[in-house]
Amino acid sequence: GDSVTQMEGPVTLSEEACLTINCTYTATGYPSLFWYVQYPGEGLQLLLKATKADDKGSNKGFEATYRKETTSFHLEKGSVQVSDSAVYFCALIIRTNAGKSTFGDGTTLTVKP
Amino acid sequence: DTGVSQDPRHKITKRGQNVTFRCDPISEHNRLYWYRQTLGQGPEFLTYFQNEAQLEKSRLLSDRFSAERPKGSFSTLEIQRTEQGDSAMYLCASSLEGPIHEQYFGPGTRLTVT
Repeated sequence: GDSVTQMEGPVTLSEEACLTINCTYTATGYPSLFWYVQYPGEGLQLLLKATKADDKGSNKGFEATYRKETTSFHLEKGSVQVSDSAVYFCALIIRTNAGKSTFGDGTTLTVKP
Repeated sequence: DTGVSQDPRHKITKRGQNVTFRCDPISEHNRLYWYRQTLGQGPEFLTYFQNEAQLEKSRLLSDRFSAERPKGSFSTLEIQRTEQGDSAMYLCASSLEGPIHEQYFGPGTRLTVT
């Protein structure tokens, strides 16, 4: 079946440090890939997406590149802020699978001032 | 666009009781999804609707669970004879039809079964 594996957390960084959260996937068909963010007490928000190989999704200083050869979609940010503290979820949707999402288990990021 | 809303936000119930949750999707979205999220894990797919038709149900959705979307707008998820293992966050999402339209999530309903 389809699955998403994220690097285990939690991750603690100092403000302005570089962030990488690893995400790899296995898919039964051609996936679109997503990163969602969940702030404390809030619902999931789409952070960025990529729908085909070599696409780069970006938003709010975060970016991720769809790497088909390594089945990966790692999330990166060059300089994190305290306000980036949240749980980050990697997810995929198989195009022929009616849009239902398969999620990783999430990575908790804490940024300290 | 007011986003996806869910009601209630929190529900505490005793084991064996029935509970019902409501989800109001973004108005122009014809697809509606239910997910369950337990602590420390990502959301797991339960079921989805296209308009009023329920097109797929996960094996996670036991026969104690039932979902409806009677007029293709709001949806309800009912759990009968709740068990402690049903304690989780229940998330609703909606999207336009198509393979690559992202899903917009509601804030969730947190269920605690005592």
